[in-house]
Amino acid sequence: GENVEQHPSTLSVQEGDSAVIKCTYSDSASNYFPWYKQELGKRPQLIIDIRSNVGEKKDQRIAVTLNKTAKHFSLHITETQPEDSAVYFCAASRGGGADGLTFGKGTHLIIQP
Amino acid sequence: NAGVMQNPRHLVRRRGQEARLRCSPMKGHSHVYWYRQLPEEGLKFMVYLQKENIIDESGMPKERFSAEFPKEGPSILRIQQVVRGDSAAYFCASSPARGRYEQYFGPGTRLTVT
Repeated sequence: GENVEQHPSTLSVQEGDSAVIKCTYSDSASNYFPWYKQELGKRPQLIIDIRSNVGEKKDQRIAVTLNKTAKHFSLHITETQPEDSAVYFCAASRGGGADGLTFGKGTHLIIQP
Repeated sequence: NAGVMQNPRHLVRRRGQEARLRCSPMKGHSHVYWYRQLPEEGLKFMVYLQKENIIDESGMPKERFSAEFPKEGPSILRIQQVVRGDSAAYFCASSPARGRYEQYFGPGTRLTVT
């Protein structure tokens, strides 16, 4: 089955700086890679996703890049703000209703004022 | 358009009792997924259902756990004879028809077994 590794487990950055979280996956059949943000005690919220036919996707301050050859994908957050503080999870699946998501263990992002 | 609904939000059960968790998907969504989240850990896939069908239950323990998504009504995750290790947050997610990839999560049910 799929295995997703996520690094780092904790990331502390100064407000206004950029943050990068990296994930690797093992199943070459995976073709859908979402990122979720989860605040304490809340539901995971889908913030951005990418499919395997695309190398990069951007939405305002958030971007995701995918390298299918190396089987890794990354989340980039620019101009970080205090409200970006949360746990971020990457995930992978074969998509299209084929199977459930396999999640990484999460990155606790701390924005220092 | 209401989001994914789950109830109860908090559930306390004694060891040996049964727990029933309910999930109503977003309007127009026909795919439901259940995940379990242990404290300080990521989410683990349990089961994927469509109306009246279990599509993939590879992540669900073989004993004591079952799930259904009837033609009418919410999806139910049932845990029989709960043990302390079942204490966790249980999230469901829903997705539109086949070919659509994104999954939207409900607020979760926090199960505590005493």
